[in-house]
Amino acid sequence: DAGVTQSPTHLIKTRGQHVTLRCSPISGHKSVSWYQQVLGQGPQFIFQYYEKEERGRGNFPDRFSARQFPNYSSELNVNALLLGDSALYLCASSLRDSTNQPQHFGDGTRLSIL
Amino acid sequence: GESVGLHLPTLSVQEGDNSIINCAYSNSASDYFIWYKQESGKGPQFIIDIRSNMDKRQGQRVTVLLNKTVKHLSLQIAATQPGDSAVYFCAETGYTGTASKLTFGTGTRLQVTL
Repeated sequence: DAGVTQSPTHLIKTRGQHVTLRCSPISGHKSVSWYQQVLGQGPQFIFQYYEKEERGRGNFPDRFSARQFPNYSSELNVNALLLGDSALYLCASSLRDSTNQPQHFGDGTRLSIL
Repeated sequence: GESVGLHLPTLSVQEGDNSIINCAYSNSASDYFIWYKQESGKGPQFIIDIRSNMDKRQGQRVTVLLNKTVKHLSLQIAATQPGDSAVYFCAETGYTGTASKLTFGTGTRLQVTL
């Protein structure tokens, strides 16, 4: 069975540009969450989507947005890129949105801002 | 591949020995905990989970212990192998608004020596 898949694997952008990252959850999983992992740290929560609705967001500016499609795949959008946005962006899926469901991660998109 | 954590606490263990990785969590209301393994260039991989109504759970070669009194988790790996070399994170679950999210610990790098 396919796990969580993310694309692209690597991306290089310049300051001020916009980026879209994509995620396909494990088949049957309806919840998708996005995390940012800066080098040397654990992942930080950005968003959770469940049944195509945003359930909540972490401490990230409005430049970060996302959506979930009817097939439960998701896109993360970041506008007006800053150097500090350079990170590994991880997508995680789970069956439902409750706190006692394991979240399974993809291998991420490595975003580098020049 | 790119290193996950350059300045993380490191545990060096000889092949065949047992490893114990410790983690302190912050939210006494958290009721579900997960250990993840992250290899260089990859996303976090689910290892084992435990609910707050348990104090011990065993998997294949791994055991998680939960001490709610002092808000402490540990991961024990039996007969450590070179393939166990990675960064290990504990994560606690909680809510941001109506979103269920994971909050990760700082991570520990496990180095297995031959």
